[in-house]
Amino acid sequence: GAGVSQSPSNKVTEKGKDVELRCDPISGHTALYWYRQSLGQGLEFLIYFQGNSAPDKSGLPSDRFSAERTGGSVSTLTIQRTQQEDSAVYLCASSLGVSSTDTQYFGPGTRLTVL
Amino acid sequence: DAKTTQPTSMDCAEGRAANLPCNHSTISGNEYVYWYRQIHSQGPQYIIHGLKNNETNEMASLIITEDRKSSTLILPHATLRDTAVYYCIVRSWGSGNTPLVFGKGTRLSVIA
Repeated sequence: GAGVSQSPSNKVTEKGKDVELRCDPISGHTALYWYRQSLGQGLEFLIYFQGNSAPDKSGLPSDRFSAERTGGSVSTLTIQRTQQEDSAVYLCASSLGVSSTDTQYFGPGTRLTVL
Repeated sequence: DAKTTQPTSMDCAEGRAANLPCNHSTISGNEYVYWYRQIHSQGPQYIIHGLKNNETNEMASLIITEDRKSSTLILPHATLRDTAVYYCIVRSWGSGNTPLVFGKGTRLSVIA
């Protein structure tokens, strides 16, 4: 069965450029999460969407980061004017969004390298 | 959510049981214990969760002490593919579908 997919798997960009990272959640999952994992660091929450509610953006590190979720399915994380400290693996996860104990299923991640 | 403490790293011989401890001494009554693992270059993978009773599934067993202040994840017959970072996470039942808060985890190395 289809799990969470992310694209691209790897992205190399130059400092100052904008990048878009895509996440396709599991079909039927209403909750979607973005995390990032920097080298040697733990997983850090960025933003999460639950159904039609306003997203929780409390984890976004700066206003250069934004995310959208269109039609309650696919999500795009956009980083504007990338900096070298943005280099990390960006992970997306989804869950049913029905119960507080719903399991979160993670995608394989997008490895972003900012030169 | 309550904080968890795990050893930084552990080794386990292939075929043996791997017992990964987690302390969560400030856990409250409505908080569950979750375990995830992250194999190198992959996204985290759910393993198991529990509230107060011991739990078992096809991947592992979760033993929670009676006072719920600590728990142990048991991989009954560790294989090389079980080498990963294991995260113990405490989440409130009433927290809805809120994000997971990952600590440093335990790096388990299964040795042939």
